[in-house]
Amino acid sequence: AQSVAQPEDQVNVAEGNPLTVKCTYSVSGNPYLFWYVQYPNRGLQFLLKYITGDNLVKGSYGFEAEFNKSQTSFHLKKPSALVSDSALYFCAVRDISKAAGNKLTFGGGTRVLVKP
Amino acid sequence: ETGVTQTPRHLVMGMTNKKSLKCEQHLGHNAMYWYKQSAKKPLELMFVYSLEERVENNSVPSRFSPECPNSSHLFLHLHTLQPEDSALYLCASSQNGRGGGQTQYFGPGTRLLVL
Repeated sequence: AQSVAQPEDQVNVAEGNPLTVKCTYSVSGNPYLFWYVQYPNRGLQFLLKYITGDNLVKGSYGFEAEFNKSQTSFHLKKPSALVSDSALYFCAVRDISKAAGNKLTFGGGTRVLVKP
Repeated sequence: ETGVTQTPRHLVMGMTNKKSLKCEQHLGHNAMYWYKQSAKKPLELMFVYSLEERVENNSVPSRFSPECPNSSHLFLHLHTLQPEDSALYLCASSQNGRGGGQTQYFGPGTRLLVL
């Protein structure tokens, strides 16, 4: 079975400060990891993913995430947050094994509030 | 944003009504998904279609009936719903094949309210 945990329901950060959204995962094999963002009344928008290779993945809008296998984590980061980054962020995992099929398991989401 | 479209964007229906949600993907993908997003609950995968064949049905009540007539279109037929079915219904698509890591792209969702 695969699972994802986002331990923080909400993260508050001042504009211009670094932003981190935490994610830990559990899979039986190796993971594919994804981050999505959801703005109010919108669908989920893909930010970035880790498949293999470099542990530091760069994505859209200045976001990046670091895959840490020993800590089973994939935290999302942005060096300098903008007010427009305020949204709901979802981490998702898929087990690389064929048995897992194409099923993505999502975390519960973390609401980010960036204050001016 | 326009890669996956969903209609209607908002829907209010009574418990005895029958309605359908429509999803269309313009990305040339071969797999489509229905998710349910309720307040304070994780995203729930409902159905998966790959190459127009249903490959997953996550114990969804029979009052939800999916249909995938071709690789670009996906429907969710609704009948005799319950108030607890009120949620945001999201459609997604992906190009599945060798190598894994296929990204799912989401539509804007249909906000459903069951009275």
